Amino acid sequence: EVQLVESGGGLVQPGGSLRLSCAASGFTFTSYAMTWVRQAPGKGLEWVSSISGGGETTYYADSVKGRFTISRDNSKKTLYLQMHSLRAEDTASFYCAKYMYSGTYHAFDMWGQGTVVTVSP
Amino acid sequence: DIQMTQSPSSLSASVGDRVTITCRASQSISSSLNWYRQRSGEAPELLTHAASSLQGGVPSRFSGSGSGTDFTLTISSLQPEDFATYYCQQSYSTPYTFGQGTRLAIK
Repeated sequence: EVQLVESGGGLVQPGGSLRLSCAASGFTFTSYAMTWVRQAPGKGLEWVSSISGGGETTYYADSVKGRFTISRDNSKKTLYLQMHSLRAEDTASFYCAKYMYSGTYHAFDMWGQGTVVTVSP
Repeated sequence: DIQMTQSPSSLSASVGDRVTITCRASQSISSSLNWYRQRSGEAPELLTHAASSLQGGVPSRFSGSGSGTDFTLTISSLQPEDFATYYCQQSYSTPYTFGQGTRLAIK
């Protein structure tokens, strides 16, 4: 069974840092790109960042570029999101998700349960 | 960035009804369009990908269509578990933008 379990969320002051983790199981982790998507309280979904299966290629939303770093440890089957210079507007539930491929198309087919990040004094 | 606009933002319907949600992209995205359902307090789940391909395990009452800039998600006969929020998402180019969501409530 494919499973993604996020951890690392919590309360942090503005300007602070936090590292989120996403432990994967049930699939060949290195074969799939992974992504982080967030959802502010009562709001919609926002794509944050993606990383290729080998970790060589990364993509970021403009809203987090230069502050967040996505990475992965394929030996540990774990995805990370290092977050610095956190702002109140980063308060959200953060989901990790696995890519699936359909020919030239892709989607996010499996999601974790989410971890909550709250940025507040 | 590609903007995704869903309509309606909310709607009310009854169990057994047929409903259609539309999604429009600000530029052509070919068939790079996915639909997700998010039940209250839960993570999103993939319903359809590549505009019209039903994800494995998803009931056949869900169907997607469209290409280019205009897409639809149709639920042929609403079930109680379908009262949720639905999002479209383009996977054509980064940033992978989502629509604002359509909240489907019980009438």
